[in-house]
Amino acid sequence: AQTVTQSQPEMSVQEAETVTLSCTYDTSESDYYLFWYKQPPSRQMILVIRQEAYKQQNATENRFSVNFQKAAKSFSLKISDSQLGDAAMYFCALLIQGAQKLVFGQGTRLTINP
Amino acid sequence: DGGITQSPKYLFRKEGQNVTLSCEQNLNHDAMYWYRQDPGQGLRLIYYSQIVNDFQKGDIAEGYSVSREKKESFPLTVTSAQKNPTAFYLCASRRNGVFGVYGYTFGSGTRLTVV
Repeated sequence: AQTVTQSQPEMSVQEAETVTLSCTYDTSESDYYLFWYKQPPSRQMILVIRQEAYKQQNATENRFSVNFQKAAKSFSLKISDSQLGDAAMYFCALLIQGAQKLVFGQGTRLTINP
Repeated sequence: DGGITQSPKYLFRKEGQNVTLSCEQNLNHDAMYWYRQDPGQGLRLIYYSQIVNDFQKGDIAEGYSVSREKKESFPLTVTSAQKNPTAFYLCASRRNGVFGVYGYTFGSGTRLTVV
C-alpha cells in the first residue's frame, strides 16, 4: 500500500520570503509520479508541480520548486518570493505508474503574512 | 474552454434520502474519479472509472454508487446507507497517455450537508 504524509498541518510565512512544505511517501514501486496541488479558498484543486520518479533533476515552475530525494522518499515544495495569492491548502500526492489511484497527504495550510 | 463541471455547488440532504451529485467533463478524458474530502484527512477515493460502462470501488465506496453511461458524465449517488455523508466531494478526470502520466483535472466540488 502507498502512503503520503505531510507532517506540517499549518505553516506561515512573511510575504516575499521563502517557505518549504514537507512531504514523505512510502511505496515499494520504482516507477511513480509525485504532485503538489494547491487548494485555495475557492476549493478548486490546482496542479502546482509534478515530478517523475525516474528523473533526477528536480522540477521547477517559476517560483515553485521541489527537492526530490528518492532514497529518502521525500518530496518537499519550496515557494520563493511568497505572495498573498499563495495562501491555500497544499496537498502532496503520489501516483504509481499503471495504477489509477492518486494518493493524497493530509494537507498543509499555508498562510502568507503581509 | 474545456473543464469539469460539478453541480450543485451546495446540496442539503435529509436523513434517509438518496442524492446524486453531477460531474460532467468536456476534456475527452478517459478516466474519471470521485474523491471525498474531510478536514484533516486529505482526499479519499470513492469510485473511479477508466472507460464507459465500467467502474471500480475505491477506498471508501460503502454507501455510494456511480454510473458511467457516457464518457463525459460520471454521477455519484450518496445513498441512505452512507452513515456520515456530510463532506466536500471532488470529481476529477485524467487523460490516459502512453508517454507518461498526466495530472488530474479537478472540478470545483460539491459541498453536501445532512440536515
